[in-house]
Amino acid sequence: NAGVTQTPKFQVLKTGQSMTLQCAQDMNHEYMSWYRQDPGMGLRLIHYSVGAGITDQGEVPNGYNVSRSTTEDFPLRLLSAAPSQTSVYFCASSWQGTQYFGPGTRLLVL
Amino acid sequence: AQKITQTQPGMFVQEKEAVTLDCTYDTSDPSYGLFWYKQPSSGEMIFLIYQGSYDQQNATEGRYSLNFQKARKSANLVISASQLGDSAMYFCAMREGGRNNNDMRFGAGTRLTVKP
Repeated sequence: NAGVTQTPKFQVLKTGQSMTLQCAQDMNHEYMSWYRQDPGMGLRLIHYSVGAGITDQGEVPNGYNVSRSTTEDFPLRLLSAAPSQTSVYFCASSWQGTQYFGPGTRLLVL
Repeated sequence: AQKITQTQPGMFVQEKEAVTLDCTYDTSDPSYGLFWYKQPSSGEMIFLIYQGSYDQQNATEGRYSLNFQKARKSANLVISASQLGDSAMYFCAMREGGRNNNDMRFGAGTRLTVKP
């Protein structure tokens, strides 16, 4: 049981590039979410999904897209990276309201 | 409006002593959940403890306990017998609504340093 996995661990992008952050969980949790963590601001919710085929926006959704075609996978897409998206990104899956986090992806946008 | 407030950016504690990390929250929903997570320097987020708004007793998990004062809207984390490995960032979080609502909001965190 690997829990929540994220790839890559670290990524450098140039402004305007696009990329997808991968997230997968093997706990059969219906709920998954993406957060970003910036210094001094804690974690902020970007997007979440309550099950396959269902997604919704969180607190800071602009510049990000998500899809949920399977229960296991919940990728986060940056359409056109901006320096303001430099952050650490955490994926989480949830069971009865408690969220379990992946190891994070550190993203640097130049 | 800020829903979760952690007023202590940093805290120091002597090894083997107890320490309290403060957390206050704001909600008008009668049903909510309160959580504490630990983030060591390696970066992962580790779930520590949960308190439901209707729970009659304060939650405890080993050396961690949650001092839940509903009327004051506070949910302080108490770590007893601090260990060097407790040095980390600690985040308080709240989920409004029942267990099926998974939208969680986090505080800014408190950095705890345990001194030998």
